[in-house]
Amino acid sequence: SQELEQSPQSLIVQEGKNLTINCTSSKTLYGLYWYKQKYGEGLIFLMMLQKGGEEKSHEKITAKLDEKKQQSSLHITASQPSHAGIYLCGADAFSSGSARQLTFGSGTQLTVLP
Amino acid sequence: GAGVSQSPSNKVTEKGKDVELRCDPISGHTALYWYRQSLGQGLEFLIYFQGNSAPDKSGLPSDRFSAERTGGSVSTLTIQRTQQEDSAVYLCASSAGFIGELFFGEGSRLTVL
Repeated sequence: SQELEQSPQSLIVQEGKNLTINCTSSKTLYGLYWYKQKYGEGLIFLMMLQKGGEEKSHEKITAKLDEKKQQSSLHITASQPSHAGIYLCGADAFSSGSARQLTFGSGTQLTVLP
Repeated sequence: GAGVSQSPSNKVTEKGKDVELRCDPISGHTALYWYRQSLGQGLEFLIYFQGNSAPDKSGLPSDRFSAERTGGSVSTLTIQRTQQEDSAVYLCASSAGFIGELFFGEGSRLTVL
């Protein structure tokens, strides 16, 4: 099965600083998803990347997909306390049958100090 | 509402009891997923339903776990003879098709004493 490794596991930054979270896959990436989770809440969809070299932005969050490296990075510019939470990457790894295998990394806990 | 709805939001049970967790997906979504998230851990895939196809049960941790989806809509995850290690947040998600983003519910927090 596909494994996704996220780094770092946790991150503490001062408000206003930039930061990057990485997600590396053990297998070919067919689709890469970034989600954010607040403690005790469900997951909020941020972005989906499907093509190598694709880059998407939402407000101050930018995500890129490097297909060759089987890796995606999430970059936050000028971080704010509202960015705090757990960031999870998820990836599609289609099995030989019709079942969809969508797996997630273990998450990166982001704390932004005011 | 328009989102994925899960109930109960919190469940405390005694070891050995059976529990049922319910998921009401977004109307029209053909795919439904159950995940488990233990404290400080990522999401562990449990089971996946897609339309009328046989479900992918490869993630169920033991035969005490089962799930069904009636009429292609509401799903129930049943855990029999609960153990303390079953304590976790159980998340349900649905999607419109074979690919694309998953929409998650708020989760059901299960505590087994």
